[in-house]
Amino acid sequence: EVKLVESGGGLVKPGGSLRLSCAASGFTFSNYVMNWVRQAPGMGLEWVSSISGSSSQTFDADSLKGRVTISRDNAKNSLYLHMHSLRAEDTAIYYCARRMVYSSTSWGAFDVWGQGTVVTVSS
Amino acid sequence: EIVLTQSPATLSLSPGERATLSCRASQSISSLLSWYQQRPGQAPSLLIYDASNRATGVPARFSGSGSGTDFTLTISSLEPEDFAVYYCQQRSSWPLTFGGGTKLEIK
Repeated sequence: EVKLVESGGGLVKPGGSLRLSCAASGFTFSNYVMNWVRQAPGMGLEWVSSISGSSSQTFDADSLKGRVTISRDNAKNSLYLHMHSLRAEDTAIYYCARRMVYSSTSWGAFDVWGQGTVVTVSS
Repeated sequence: EIVLTQSPATLSLSPGERATLSCRASQSISSLLSWYQQRPGQAPSLLIYDASNRATGVPARFSGSGSGTDFTLTISSLEPEDFAVYYCQQRSSWPLTFGGGTKLEIK
């Protein structure tokens, strides 16, 4: 069974840091582009960051650029998101998601999602 | 940044009726559009990719169409489990963007 399980969320003070993790199973992790997508309470979906299978390429949303670092450990089938200088507006459910891959340069839709981990930024 | 505008924001229909959801892109994205369903308290799930391709396991009552800037998700005959929020998303260019969503509610 293809599965993504996030962890690492919690309550953090403004200005604080957090590292989210996503454990993947049921597929060849290194073959896929992996991503973080977030959803603020009562709001829509917002793409956060993406990383290629070899970690050679990363992409971040402008709203978070400089405050997040996406990384992966293919030996551990794990994806990470390190966030710092957190703000109240970063409060959200953070989802780990896999993208379909057509070729090394053509990546498709988000076809597998985890259940999410909740991050709350509050004093 | 490509902006995706979904309409209507809320759609009230009854089981058995046909639902038509719209997604408009601020510039041409060819067919590089996906649709997701999100039920309350659950993660999103992929319904349609590349405008018209059903994802694995998605019932045939769901169909997608369109290219360029105008896209449609059609549910031919609503089942009770179809009442949810639907999002479109483009992969034509970075940053990846989502529409604001259409909430499909029971009338």
